[in-house]
Amino acid sequence: EAQVTQNPRYLITVTGKKLTVTCSQNMNHEYMSWYRQDPGLGLRQIYYSMNVEVTDKGDVPEGYKVSRKEKRNFPLILESPSPNQTSLYFCASSLYRDRGPGEQFFGPGTRLTVL
Amino acid sequence: SQQGEEDPQALSIQEGENATMNCSYKTSINNLQWYRQNSGRGLVHLILIRSNEREKHSGRLRVTLDTSKKSSSLLITASRAADTASYFCATDRESGGSNYKLTFGKGTLLTVNP
Repeated sequence: EAQVTQNPRYLITVTGKKLTVTCSQNMNHEYMSWYRQDPGLGLRQIYYSMNVEVTDKGDVPEGYKVSRKEKRNFPLILESPSPNQTSLYFCASSLYRDRGPGEQFFGPGTRLTVL
Repeated sequence: SQQGEEDPQALSIQEGENATMNCSYKTSINNLQWYRQNSGRGLVHLILIRSNEREKHSGRLRVTLDTSKKSSSLLITASRAADTASYFCATDRESGGSNYKLTFGKGTLLTVNP
C-alpha cells in the first residue's frame, strides 16, 4: 500500500530534550516536506527536500533541522524543543516535475506537546 | 507570510446545496491545489490546476483559476453531510534554483447539515 508513515504519532516531552520525528514514504517520491498545523494558522511549511541531499527552508524553519540521506526518509529533528513548538506535525511527499511539486500525500500526523 | 488565503473562514449549508470557497494568493504560481482535511487527520488531495488552465472538474468539484486576479474558487455541487471538513488551497512558488515552496492557506471550515 502506497503511504507516508510518521512516528511517533503522539509525543509529550520537556523543554530542551532533543527529539526526532521520522517520516518514510514508499512511493519513490522526490519531493518531501514537513508542516506544522496550529489553530487559526493553517499549515505552514517548515522544511522541504527536492531530492536526496537537497533541502531548503520553508516559511517557519527556526528551531528545526532535517536531513535527506535516503530518498524514502525525511526525519524532522528538534535539537532543543520549546513550548512554542507544541503543534500537530505533518510529513508529505510527492513526485516532482519540471513545473513544481504535484499532489501531496500526507502522513497521519504527529501531535507533539512540549512542557 | 501566508501565500494563500481562503474565504470564507467558515461556511454552513444544507445538504443538497452548493458550496463555494475562494482562495487568493500574492505572487505568481505554477500550480494551485485544493485539499480536504477531516478533523485532525492528514490532508487529502482533491484537485490540481496549472497556471495555464482556467477551469477543471472532478466529479462534484469544479475549480476555477484567475491568474490576473490571483484567485481561485472551489465549488462543491449537491453537497452531502460527508463533505463536512476543512478545505485548503495550496500554491507553489519558485524559491530560487528551481526549488519550490508549497504554501497552504488557513482553510475554510465547511459544515453540511443533514
